[in-house]
Amino acid sequence: AQRVTQPEKLLSVFKGAPVELKCNYSYSGSPELFWYVQYSRQRLQLLLRHISRESIKGFTADLNKGETSFHLKKPFAQEEDSAMYYCPWRTGANNLFFGTGTRLTVIP
Amino acid sequence: SQTIHQWPATLVQPVGSPLSLECTVEGTSNPNLYWYRQAAGRGLQLLFYSVGIGQISSEVPQNLSASRPQDRQFILSSKKLLLSDSGFYLCAWGGGDNEQFFGPGTRLTVL
Repeated sequence: AQRVTQPEKLLSVFKGAPVELKCNYSYSGSPELFWYVQYSRQRLQLLLRHISRESIKGFTADLNKGETSFHLKKPFAQEEDSAMYYCPWRTGANNLFFGTGTRLTVIP
Repeated sequence: SQTIHQWPATLVQPVGSPLSLECTVEGTSNPNLYWYRQAAGRGLQLLFYSVGIGQISSEVPQNLSASRPQDRQFILSSKKLLLSDSGFYLCAWGGGDNEQFFGPGTRLTVL
């Protein structure tokens, strides 16, 4: 079955350390993947999408077809990066399927 | 600009009682609308989506239902709540480039 998996429910890193939030996909064809973020007391919002190949708030994510991954990376974590992160994929019906997400905590 | 509203913000209901959560969108026409549930340890689960008035697709069988009586109104309902219906319910609308915009959510506690 086609799906996306975020293997870590919780992730803690120290401020200034590199951070990588894992996202693995199982998909026949070329998936369209995104990263969404939900900061404390804020709405869930789009962070970045793989087709844009952009860097937002210092985060980047590259679609690795060989490893079937779309990991979110940032070289130096900041306290304000603490949030819930989701890696949804877009289905043929133009819906987004979210997974369990990863809660990132950046320790001061 | 487009905005999305949800109410109520929080709700505490007894088991077996009915439910009605409302979501409205402003500033756009004929949006795709979505209901999600965010439950502890289960991530964000798509419950229903709608591509137009009266058109509802269900993703997960359950005792919830959805309706879209107007273009920019999406309602989530239940005739009899279960304990397992507790969670954080999010409404979203879909933009033209596949981005989804989320509402503030409703925290539902079923006792």
